[in-house]
Amino acid sequence: SQTIHQWPATLVQPVGSPLSLECTVEGTSNPNLYWYRQAAGRGLQLLFYSVGIGQISSEVPQNLSASRPQDRQFILSSKKLLLSDSGFYLCAWSVQSQPQHFGDGTRLSIL
Amino acid sequence: LAKTTQPISMDSYEGQEVNITCSHNNIATNDYITWYQQFPSQGPRFIIQGYKTKVTNEVASLFIPADRKSSTLSLPRVSLSDTAVYYCLVGPLSGGYNKLIFGAGTRLAVHP
Repeated sequence: SQTIHQWPATLVQPVGSPLSLECTVEGTSNPNLYWYRQAAGRGLQLLFYSVGIGQISSEVPQNLSASRPQDRQFILSSKKLLLSDSGFYLCAWSVQSQPQHFGDGTRLSIL
Repeated sequence: LAKTTQPISMDSYEGQEVNITCSHNNIATNDYITWYQQFPSQGPRFIIQGYKTKVTNEVASLFIPADRKSSTLSLPRVSLSDTAVYYCLVGPLSGGYNKLIFGAGTRLAVHP
């Protein structure tokens, strides 16, 4: 069966520090991959999605970037974190016409 | 882009049936309706998906009228563990990945 892993589960970073969140999917090939951010009490906002290795589409202008170095690996990065980057970050995957499946997220706090 | 409207919150009691309705007046011909459940500090979990009429699985039913401008998620005999936020999404299943819009969802509270 397919599984998705995100780490770390929680992260506390100072303003101006770099960021790297990793997401990996197991049990499937050539998935579509997504990064979402969720503010407290709000819905999910799509940040990036990828249909293949090296193919990244950005949905909103921001301080973050994404990369897909391998088929089942999706990385969310920042060179310098801002206070506004705090939130709950979720990775998801889907294949063909199937619905998206989410990881358990990373709660990022910026101090 | 098809926008969805759901009640902000609902209350129920253990053992009751809960129906959460979602409005999506601008649904497109190739759009599907998908419902997710989210617990605090967890990712959303897929519940059910449909295109028209009625879909049923082991946890819920989804009712979609002929005009598809709304849909109703039905949870039979809820328990305390069904307390969560429920999201209704409308969008195509293939292509148009950026067209899935998560609203604020419906916060369901189940009381003993």
